[in-house]
Amino acid sequence: QKEVEQDPGPLSVPEGAIVSLNCTYSNSAFQYFMWYRQYSRKGPELLMYTYSSGNKEDGRFTAQVDKSSKYISLFIRDSQPSDSATYLCATRMGGTSYGKLTFGQGTILTVHP
Amino acid sequence: GAVVSQHPSWVICKSGTSVKIECRSLDFQATTMFWYRQFPKQSLMLMATSNEGSKATYEQGVEKDKFLINHASLTLSTLTVTSAHPEDSSFYICSVIVPIGTEAFFGQGTRLTVV
Repeated sequence: QKEVEQDPGPLSVPEGAIVSLNCTYSNSAFQYFMWYRQYSRKGPELLMYTYSSGNKEDGRFTAQVDKSSKYISLFIRDSQPSDSATYLCATRMGGTSYGKLTFGQGTILTVHP
Repeated sequence: GAVVSQHPSWVICKSGTSVKIECRSLDFQATTMFWYRQFPKQSLMLMATSNEGSKATYEQGVEKDKFLINHASLTLSTLTVTSAHPEDSSFYICSVIVPIGTEAFFGQGTRLTVV
């Protein structure tokens, strides 16, 4: 079993739709949770970073963490064609583990006009 | 976010040759950098932690003699794929940690194709 599970999709939605992306993780030692966006042939770009359970909002993006169920989500409101990319969830432990991330497989999202 | 520059963006080499990939932190000094590998339609896998002025720390299953890492300055880490083979063809990405922040910023990646 992978430490972080993510449905690879692909996911295709019309412009303006609300997108829900999800990951589950198995290691309760994971304390920090991130979402990255990766365009084709590019490095990942940090979108959201959360620590505690609950919601964190940034513009059209909302990250949600439920540590009790080991479940993390990213919601994209009013999706745009420019949001088409691969979305990767990532986690890490606390302490000195900065930068040592465990990634999900990534979900390929296409937003069509 | 922090600016991380990788060079080259893509490279094709013959089997048996060595290839060097550079990762530069343009905004700040980075005592630690990280190297990841990503196969097509798969996730990023951490290969090693590059430490300025000391030996790199490799993840389990990564051959340190094949993937040579040098972190000679606070702004530059290099990954050399030695005696490359077609199975080494992959997308190699480096990341750095912002000193005051807590999260990683990634370079644009290097696509290596070994023929």
